[in-house]
Amino acid sequence: NAGVTQTPKFQVLKTGQSMTLQCAQDMNHEYMSWYRQDPGMGLRLIHYSVGAGITDQGEVPNGYNVSRSTTEDFPLRLLSAAPSQTSVYFCASTPHPMTGTEAFFGQGTRLTVV
Amino acid sequence: SQQGEEDPQALSIQEGENATMNCSYKTSINNLQWYRQNSGRGLVHLILIRSNEREKHSGRLRVTLDTSKKSSSLLITASRAADTASYFCATAPRETSGSRLTFGEGTQLTVNP
Repeated sequence: NAGVTQTPKFQVLKTGQSMTLQCAQDMNHEYMSWYRQDPGMGLRLIHYSVGAGITDQGEVPNGYNVSRSTTEDFPLRLLSAAPSQTSVYFCASTPHPMTGTEAFFGQGTRLTVV
Repeated sequence: SQQGEEDPQALSIQEGENATMNCSYKTSINNLQWYRQNSGRGLVHLILIRSNEREKHSGRLRVTLDTSKKSSSLLITASRAADTASYFCATAPRETSGSRLTFGEGTQLTVNP
């Protein structure tokens, strides 16, 4: 199993550009989420999904959209990139949201907005 | 805002010594988890302790949870240079069980050979 795969690993955007960060998991996990990590800080939840077709906002959702058309994929879209969105983005999945188990993280996407 | 606050922010020890990191949180939880992050990498799950547990062990790791004080500690015994990493606590709120983890700001541990 590959686990949680994020692409790309690095990306540089100009202010105002849009892009999609990809996240895929092959563990048939129901719950997936996106976090951002800023220097010297912990992770903050952007959006999450408890299953295909169901998404909800986390702590810092502004400027980001998500969709969950399949169990495997959970892309994060930046609508109009801003320098404040420069960060490292992590996708995570959890087997079942109600059983309280560990989260599996991807390796991250380092995004710079200039 | 971050639910968890970790203490200390940075810790430097010698190989073979024990390392203790603390985490405090604010709301009722279903469980508390500890993760390790090596520089430039993703987070790796270390251990999960549920709200009805007080202590848990996994290899060289020992986690305690005091729900009355809303605090947890992670002890790494006989530390190794390979333990050098950032360590984060994460809480899962009671109403959502395992989802919606809220992370602390982390403790940067350096283990000197």
